[in-house]
Amino acid sequence: GAVVSQHPSWVICKSGTSVKIECRSLDFQATTMFWYRQFPKQSLMLMATSNEGSKATYEQGVEKDKFLINHASLTLSTLTVTSAHPEDSSFYICSARSSTGGSYGYTFGSGTRLTVV
Amino acid sequence: AQTVTQSQPEMSVQEAETVTLSCTYDTSESDYYLFWYKQPPSRQMILVIRQEAYKQQNATENRFSVNFQKAAKSFSLKISDSQLGDAAMYFCAYRETTSGTYKYIFGTGTRLKVLA
Repeated sequence: GAVVSQHPSWVICKSGTSVKIECRSLDFQATTMFWYRQFPKQSLMLMATSNEGSKATYEQGVEKDKFLINHASLTLSTLTVTSAHPEDSSFYICSARSSTGGSYGYTFGSGTRLTVV
Repeated sequence: AQTVTQSQPEMSVQEAETVTLSCTYDTSESDYYLFWYKQPPSRQMILVIRQEAYKQQNATENRFSVNFQKAAKSFSLKISDSQLGDAAMYFCAYRETTSGTYKYIFGTGTRLKVLA
């Protein structure tokens, strides 16, 4: 079945540094990638939607300059947390919609646990 | 705007028994998709079952089935013969078909505990 590889699975970084999270669709073309943030015991909060070759669309309240999303190819999307601070510590998940439409559901990455110290 | 509500923060079921998780949603659309996703402790989101709104027949996947009531905007998940591996967070999700955004709207989740 469809697989989305997300890396790293966990990362610790110092406050003020930047961290990049990658999501790759391994066996299908991901025309749309969704990026979520999930706090402990809470639901997934959509941060942004990116279409291949286009600028990402951010949800209200999400800082575009802090969370940079790039979707340069049909198999790779990246989320860069810039100038990370402890409040950015969270679990980040990507989800891919395939070029076939995704009516059978989107494929999720395994998530990245970010800890900013 | 569409909303998804899961009114049961936590549910418990005895192993081998049946449990039903509730989900209601609000939309003015007539065509859309509904999903149930499972998130075990690994936090990997796993698709459990999907329902297309234009289909009246309730979806079934092995021990998992739904009760889709379109007029009532209700989409409950029934798990039969519950197993220890069913313990997880379950999220109900709505996806519209007409706006072109393709994004999911998730409920707040129900934590399912399976008792041995």
